[in-house]
Amino acid sequence: KAGVTQTPRYLIKTRGQQVTLSCSPISGHRSVSWYQQTPGQGLQFLFEYFSETQRNKGNFPGRFSGRQFSNSRSEMNVSTLELGDSALYLCASSPEGREGTDTQYFGPGTRLTVL
Amino acid sequence: GEDVEQSLFLSVREGDSSVINCTYTDSSSTYLYWYKQEPGAGLQLLTYIFSNMDMKQDQRLTVLLNKKDKHLSLRIADTQTGDSAIYFCAAFSGGYNKLIFGAGTRLAVHP
Repeated sequence: KAGVTQTPRYLIKTRGQQVTLSCSPISGHRSVSWYQQTPGQGLQFLFEYFSETQRNKGNFPGRFSGRQFSNSRSEMNVSTLELGDSALYLCASSPEGREGTDTQYFGPGTRLTVL
Repeated sequence: GEDVEQSLFLSVREGDSSVINCTYTDSSSTYLYWYKQEPGAGLQLLTYIFSNMDMKQDQRLTVLLNKKDKHLSLRIADTQTGDSAIYFCAAFSGGYNKLIFGAGTRLAVHP
């Protein structure tokens, strides 16, 4: 079974631009979560989607948004990029998103650099 | 809210055991996880433990949980250079698929 895939792997943008990142979960997984990883703040939860609905959200400004499609693939969008948005964005999938043995499997991440 | 803390750095000699420690604040976390991250890579799930367990062993990995003290540890036996990575402790923080991660412990294995 293929793992979680994320595209693109690397991205360079300038301040003020917007960006869209894509995540394809493991086949059969319906829950997709997004995390931001930075040296200063570590790993922080952005949001989680299940059946095209956002069920959980972290403490990020409204510039960060996401969506999920009927095939469970997910995208996240960051508008009006700031230098501080430079980070590794990780996507994770699990079957149902419940705590416990319904563990999350992570993709390799998208490295976003904002100049 | 939930908080997870780890020591930031650990250096061990190849062949020795490594012990990485973690404390968490939310006693309602029923599952606790250990993830590994190698340079330039995403997170790899190593193991997890259910809160009604004290210990879980999986090949070279042993997880110990002291629920009273909210302390979790990961022991890696016979540590190899390939174990050099950052290890993250994580707790489920209620709601769906929201993991709270510690800052990560960088394990350096030297000959």
